[in-house]
Amino acid sequence: DAGITQSPRHKVTETGTPVTLRCHQTENHRYMYWYRQDPGHGLRLIHYSYGVKDTDKGEVSDGYSVSRSKTEDFLLTLESATSSQTSVYFCAITGEPTSGGYTFGSGTRLTVV
Amino acid sequence: SQKIEQNSEALNIQEGKTATLTCNYTNYSPAYLQWYRQDPGRGPVFLLLIRENEKEKRKERLKVTFDTTLKQSLFHITASQPADSATYLCALGRDSSYKLIFGSGTRLLVRP
Repeated sequence: DAGITQSPRHKVTETGTPVTLRCHQTENHRYMYWYRQDPGHGLRLIHYSYGVKDTDKGEVSDGYSVSRSKTEDFLLTLESATSSQTSVYFCAITGEPTSGGYTFGSGTRLTVV
Repeated sequence: SQKIEQNSEALNIQEGKTATLTCNYTNYSPAYLQWYRQDPGRGPVFLLLIRENEKEKRKERLKVTFDTTLKQSLFHITASQPADSATYLCALGRDSSYKLIFGSGTRLLVRP
């Protein structure tokens, strides 16, 4: 999607290894989010950021950490990947969360074997 | 805890008809509600936002209603086309929060 890029698009990793997913935006938006999407559960918020070095937990944050050292990048780290973290991960951005929609990235499909 | 319900079964309709999708919620008082479209293998795309003091909002062939008494939003696509086939997600938010809560979506299939 224009203005937001996720990398990698696909990744297969082994249980117990650390994994970092990257979200990069060129819109200079303040708010950035990481969601995971699983069949039957819809999109669930993992972590979000409301500014550089300002982050907070979502509803499914256990096993995940995030960092935002500059406006354009929001990193999601799985400290020690587990099979339950196999999912599609979406990053989203917005300039105004209460009056505008989110722009989502194309997603990262992560498989933990 | 808050819960958002969207029909898990696919909605299958004939081209040209109006598609109506439902979003119900409980244990939540949203200030606004959003609808998104998601195609397979892609991220959701924002369609419409409606606030709690708005009863109805329109955009081209799309119409959204928001009834805070019934705790329900209806999403209508008039004169539906096969290209409208996708999964549609509703999401709720509050002015005091930076977060959106999403439903699991309803798949719409429009037959030619």
